[in-house]
Amino acid sequence: DIVMTQTPLSLSVTPGQPASISCKSTQSLLHRNGKTYLYWYLQKPGQSPQLLIYEVSSRFSGVPDRFSGSGSGTDFTLKISRVEAEDVGVYYCMQGINLPRTFGQGTKVEIK
Amino acid sequence: EVQLLESGGGLVQTGGSLRLSCAASGFTFSSYAMTWVRQAPGKGVEWVSSLTDSGGTTHYADSVKGRFTISRDNPKNTLYLQMNSLRAEDTAIYYCAKLYASSPGGSDFWGQGTLVTVSS
Repeated sequence: DIVMTQTPLSLSVTPGQPASISCKSTQSLLHRNGKTYLYWYLQKPGQSPQLLIYEVSSRFSGVPDRFSGSGSGTDFTLKISRVEAEDVGVYYCMQGINLPRTFGQGTKVEIK
Repeated sequence: EVQLLESGGGLVQTGGSLRLSCAASGFTFSSYAMTWVRQAPGKGVEWVSSLTDSGGTTHYADSVKGRFTISRDNPKNTLYLQMNSLRAEDTAIYYCAKLYASSPGGSDFWGQGTLVTVSS
Protein backbone atom coordinates (compact mmCIF):
# COMPACT_ATOMS: atom_id res chain seq x y z
CA ASP A 1 0.00 0.00 0.00
CA ILE A 2 1.10 3.57 -0.64
CA VAL A 3 1.84 5.41 2.60
CA MET A 4 1.04 9.11 2.73
CA THR A 5 2.93 11.20 5.29
CA GLN A 6 1.89 14.75 6.17
CA THR A 7 3.86 17.39 8.02
CA PRO A 8 3.26 19.18 10.24
CA LEU A 9 0.44 17.42 12.09
CA SER A 10 -0.76 20.69 13.55
CA LEU A 11 -0.46 24.32 12.63
CA SER A 12 -1.49 27.49 14.45
CA VAL A 13 -1.76 30.46 12.12
CA THR A 14 -2.47 34.16 12.55
CA PRO A 15 -5.33 35.32 10.30
CA GLY A 16 -3.96 36.82 7.10
CA GLN A 17 -0.71 34.87 7.31
CA PRO A 18 0.26 32.04 4.97
CA ALA A 19 0.26 28.34 5.80
CA SER A 20 1.85 25.35 4.13
CA ILE A 21 1.33 21.59 4.50
CA SER A 22 3.61 18.95 3.06
CA CYS A 23 2.54 15.50 1.88
CA LYS A 24 4.91 12.75 0.78
CA SER A 25 4.01 9.40 -0.76
CA THR A 26 6.06 6.21 -0.74
CA GLN A 27 5.44 5.69 -4.48
CA SER A 28 5.12 8.05 -7.39
CA LEU A 29 1.56 9.21 -8.01
CA LEU A 30 2.26 9.88 -11.68
CA HIS A 31 0.05 7.70 -13.86
CA ARG A 32 1.10 6.53 -17.31
CA ASN A 33 -1.61 8.83 -18.69
CA GLY A 34 0.47 11.78 -17.53
CA LYS A 35 -1.84 12.76 -14.66
CA THR A 36 -0.78 12.78 -11.03
CA TYR A 37 -3.51 11.56 -8.69
CA LEU A 38 -2.97 13.57 -5.53
CA TYR A 39 -5.94 15.14 -3.77
CA TRP A 40 -6.39 17.52 -0.84
CA TYR A 41 -9.46 17.50 1.39
CA LEU A 42 -10.53 19.74 4.25
CA GLN A 43 -12.67 18.43 7.09
CA LYS A 44 -14.19 21.34 8.95
CA PRO A 45 -15.28 20.73 12.54
CA GLY A 46 -18.34 18.50 12.69
CA GLN A 47 -18.48 18.08 8.91
CA SER A 48 -17.50 15.49 6.34
CA PRO A 49 -14.38 16.03 4.21
CA GLN A 50 -14.71 18.35 1.24
CA LEU A 51 -12.59 18.33 -1.89
CA LEU A 52 -10.23 21.28 -2.25
CA ILE A 53 -7.62 20.28 -4.81
CA TYR A 54 -7.46 17.47 -7.35
CA GLU A 55 -4.57 16.23 -9.46
CA VAL A 56 -2.00 18.18 -7.44
CA SER A 57 -2.97 21.70 -8.37
CA SER A 58 -6.50 22.01 -9.77
CA ARG A 59 -8.95 23.76 -7.48
CA PHE A 60 -12.36 22.16 -7.16
CA SER A 61 -15.42 24.23 -7.99
CA GLY A 62 -16.01 27.03 -5.48
CA VAL A 63 -12.66 26.71 -3.72
CA PRO A 64 -11.11 30.14 -3.07
CA ASP A 65 -7.95 31.00 -4.97
CA ARG A 66 -6.02 31.47 -1.73
CA PHE A 67 -5.68 27.66 -1.80
CA SER A 68 -3.03 26.27 -4.12
CA GLY A 69 -1.37 22.92 -4.62
CA SER A 70 1.97 22.02 -6.08
CA GLY A 71 4.43 19.18 -6.37
CA SER A 72 5.20 16.14 -8.43
CA GLY A 73 6.07 12.49 -8.15
CA THR A 74 6.12 11.84 -4.42
CA ASP A 75 6.36 15.32 -2.87
CA PHE A 76 3.41 17.69 -2.65
CA THR A 77 2.44 20.90 -0.90
CA LEU A 78 -0.81 22.65 -0.08
CA LYS A 79 -0.51 26.38 0.49
CA ILE A 80 -2.99 28.86 1.89
CA SER A 81 -1.86 32.33 0.93
CA ARG A 82 -3.80 34.18 3.64
CA VAL A 83 -5.51 32.05 6.26
CA GLU A 84 -9.05 32.99 7.22
CA ALA A 85 -11.10 31.88 10.21
CA GLU A 86 -13.22 29.61 8.00
CA ASP A 87 -10.12 27.60 7.01
CA VAL A 88 -9.87 25.86 10.38
CA GLY A 89 -10.13 22.10 10.36
CA VAL A 90 -8.13 19.05 9.42
CA TYR A 91 -6.49 18.83 6.02
CA TYR A 92 -5.87 15.45 4.41
CA CYS A 93 -3.91 14.47 1.33
CA MET A 94 -5.00 11.33 -0.49
CA GLN A 95 -3.52 9.26 -3.30
CA GLY A 96 -5.86 8.16 -6.07
CA ILE A 97 -3.53 6.11 -8.26
CA ASN A 98 -3.76 2.74 -6.50
CA LEU A 99 -6.18 0.74 -4.44
CA PRO A 100 -6.45 0.87 -1.52
CA ARG A 101 -6.85 4.63 -1.57
CA THR A 102 -4.76 5.96 1.31
CA PHE A 103 -4.85 9.21 3.22
CA GLY A 104 -2.29 11.17 5.17
CA GLN A 105 -2.69 11.36 8.94
CA GLY A 106 -4.20 14.81 8.68
CA THR A 107 -2.95 18.29 9.60
CA LYS A 108 -5.01 20.24 12.09
CA VAL A 109 -5.08 23.96 11.33
CA GLU A 110 -6.22 26.37 13.99
CA ILE A 111 -6.31 30.12 14.26
CA LYS A 112 -4.11 31.94 16.77
CA GLU B 1 -27.57 19.82 -5.85
CA VAL B 2 -25.74 16.58 -5.05
CA GLN B 3 -26.99 14.94 -1.87
CA LEU B 4 -25.81 11.75 -0.20
CA LEU B 5 -27.69 10.63 2.89
CA GLU B 6 -26.36 7.71 4.89
CA SER B 7 -28.47 5.68 7.29
CA GLY B 8 -28.45 2.37 9.12
CA GLY B 9 -25.76 3.02 11.68
CA GLY B 10 -26.18 2.23 15.34
CA LEU B 11 -24.94 0.18 18.26
CA VAL B 12 -24.25 -3.49 17.57
CA GLN B 13 -22.57 -6.25 19.50
CA THR B 14 -19.25 -7.75 18.50
CA GLY B 15 -19.89 -10.38 15.85
CA GLY B 16 -23.15 -8.78 14.78
CA SER B 17 -24.29 -7.33 11.45
CA LEU B 18 -25.53 -4.03 10.08
CA ARG B 19 -26.51 -2.79 6.65
CA LEU B 20 -25.75 0.80 5.79
CA SER B 21 -27.59 2.67 3.06
CA CYS B 22 -26.70 5.78 1.14
CA ALA B 23 -29.52 7.54 -0.69
CA ALA B 24 -28.27 9.63 -3.58
CA SER B 25 -29.93 12.52 -5.38
CA GLY B 26 -29.02 15.47 -7.55
CA PHE B 27 -26.98 13.50 -10.08
CA THR B 28 -27.31 10.48 -12.37
CA PHE B 29 -26.45 7.86 -9.77
CA SER B 30 -26.12 4.99 -12.26
CA SER B 31 -23.29 6.81 -14.07
CA TYR B 32 -20.88 7.06 -11.14
CA ALA B 33 -18.67 4.72 -9.20
CA MET B 34 -19.21 5.04 -5.46
CA THR B 35 -17.11 4.58 -2.36
CA TRP B 36 -17.44 3.93 1.36
CA VAL B 37 -14.89 5.57 3.64
CA ARG B 38 -14.76 5.49 7.43
CA GLN B 39 -13.32 7.53 10.26
CA ALA B 40 -12.82 6.12 13.74
CA PRO B 41 -13.60 8.59 16.55
CA GLY B 42 -10.90 11.24 16.66
CA LYS B 43 -8.86 9.46 14.00
CA GLY B 44 -7.99 9.81 10.36
CA VAL B 45 -9.79 8.66 7.26
CA GLU B 46 -9.72 5.09 5.91
CA TRP B 47 -10.98 3.90 2.53
CA VAL B 48 -13.24 0.86 2.95
CA SER B 49 -14.71 -0.18 -0.38
CA SER B 50 -15.60 0.95 -3.90
CA LEU B 51 -17.70 -0.30 -6.75
CA THR B 52 -18.19 0.65 -10.38
CA ASP B 53 -21.23 2.40 -11.83
CA SER B 54 -22.84 -0.91 -12.83
CA GLY B 55 -21.85 -2.61 -9.60
CA GLY B 56 -20.03 -5.26 -11.57
CA THR B 57 -16.62 -4.64 -10.04
CA THR B 58 -15.95 -4.20 -6.34
CA HIS B 59 -12.86 -3.55 -4.24
CA TYR B 60 -12.26 -3.84 -0.51
CA ALA B 61 -9.70 -2.86 2.07
CA ASP B 62 -7.90 -5.88 3.51
CA SER B 63 -9.32 -4.97 6.94
CA VAL B 64 -12.90 -5.67 5.79
CA LYS B 65 -12.45 -8.20 2.98
CA GLY B 66 -14.64 -11.25 3.49
CA ARG B 67 -16.80 -9.48 6.09
CA PHE B 68 -18.23 -6.45 4.24
CA THR B 69 -20.13 -6.40 0.95
CA ILE B 70 -20.73 -3.28 -1.12
CA SER B 71 -23.64 -3.17 -3.55
CA ARG B 72 -25.98 -0.74 -5.25
CA ASP B 73 -29.52 -0.52 -6.57
CA ASN B 74 -29.38 1.93 -9.44
CA PRO B 75 -33.17 2.22 -9.99
CA LYS B 76 -33.46 3.16 -6.30
CA ASN B 77 -30.41 5.48 -6.38
CA THR B 78 -29.05 3.73 -3.32
CA LEU B 79 -25.66 2.40 -2.27
CA TYR B 80 -25.31 -0.26 0.42
CA LEU B 81 -22.68 -1.67 2.73
CA GLN B 82 -23.50 -4.99 4.37
CA MET B 83 -21.26 -5.42 7.39
CA ASN B 84 -20.96 -8.83 9.04
CA SER B 85 -18.77 -10.23 11.82
CA LEU B 86 -18.31 -6.76 13.21
CA ARG B 87 -15.36 -6.00 15.44
CA ALA B 88 -14.61 -3.22 17.91
CA GLU B 89 -12.14 -1.74 15.42
CA ASP B 90 -14.99 -1.25 12.92
CA THR B 91 -16.40 1.48 15.18
CA ALA B 92 -16.41 4.62 13.06
CA ILE B 93 -18.42 7.15 11.13
CA TYR B 94 -19.10 5.68 7.70
CA TYR B 95 -19.32 8.05 4.76
CA CYS B 96 -20.45 7.33 1.24
CA ALA B 97 -18.81 9.36 -1.49
CA LYS B 98 -19.32 9.93 -5.18
CA LEU B 99 -16.52 9.49 -7.67
CA TYR B 100 -15.35 12.73 -9.28
CA ALA B 101 -15.93 12.26 -12.99
CA SER B 102 -13.31 14.83 -13.97
CA SER B 103 -10.67 13.07 -11.91
CA PRO B 104 -11.68 9.48 -11.15
CA GLY B 105 -8.94 8.89 -8.62
CA GLY B 106 -10.89 10.84 -6.02
CA SER B 107 -14.35 11.71 -4.73
CA ASP B 108 -15.98 15.10 -5.01
CA PHE B 109 -18.96 14.82 -2.68
CA TRP B 110 -19.34 13.01 0.64
CA GLY B 111 -22.39 12.42 2.76
CA GLN B 112 -22.62 13.51 6.39
CA GLY B 113 -21.97 9.99 7.63
CA THR B 114 -23.61 7.44 9.89
CA LEU B 115 -22.05 6.26 13.15
CA VAL B 116 -21.45 2.56 13.75
CA THR B 117 -20.52 1.52 17.27
CA VAL B 118 -19.42 -2.06 17.91
CA SER B 119 -19.34 -3.05 21.53
CA SER B 120 -19.27 -6.20 23.56
